[in-house]
Amino acid sequence: GENVEQHPSTLSVQEGDSAVIKCTYSDSASNYFPWYKQELGKRPQLIIDIRSNVGEKKDQRIAVTLNKTAKHFSLHITETQPEDSAVYFCAASMKTGGFKTIFGAGTRLFVKA
Amino acid sequence: EPEVTQTPSHQVTQMGQEVILRCVPISNHLYFYWYRQILGQKVEFLVSFYNNEISEKSEIFDDQFSVERPDGSNFTLKIRSTKLEDSAMYFCASIFRGSRGGTDTQYFGPGTRLTVL
Repeated sequence: GENVEQHPSTLSVQEGDSAVIKCTYSDSASNYFPWYKQELGKRPQLIIDIRSNVGEKKDQRIAVTLNKTAKHFSLHITETQPEDSAVYFCAASMKTGGFKTIFGAGTRLFVKA
Repeated sequence: EPEVTQTPSHQVTQMGQEVILRCVPISNHLYFYWYRQILGQKVEFLVSFYNNEISEKSEIFDDQFSVERPDGSNFTLKIRSTKLEDSAMYFCASIFRGSRGGTDTQYFGPGTRLTVL
């Protein structure tokens, strides 16, 4: 079945450093790749997304890259701040199955002040 | 900005009891979803719903689960006979995706924390 692998499971960085989270997906029919930030006890919040016809997208300190051939996509956060500390989930969605979304296992990001 | 809402925010039930979790998707959205998140784990797809029928369901969504859109606004998830392992946060989500296209962005509700004792 469809699967999304996410690494690392935990990431600790100093404030101001960059953080990179990597994901791979299994279903080549996936065509939409959102990234979510989840704080404790809250709903997942979309922070950035990328579609399969685009290789890279940037929004201020956050960027996402997609390599369709390798089925890899990554999240890059630059100039990290303590408030970036949260769990980040990558996900893959496809038109089949009613646009269902399959999530990665999550990365717990700690930004140390 | 319109939001997906869910009730209740927290539901405590005894094992074997039936529970109904309620969601009100954003009004012009056409696709609806339920996801589950066991504490400390990833968000898991349960079911997608479109045009008053299930589009797809996961292995988790067995005969104990059912979904319904009883009127034009509510979308419910029923668990017929709850088990201890059903304890989790349940998120409803919706997408606007009409015949003229739309967006793939899923809007999540705040979740219902289900505790089965």
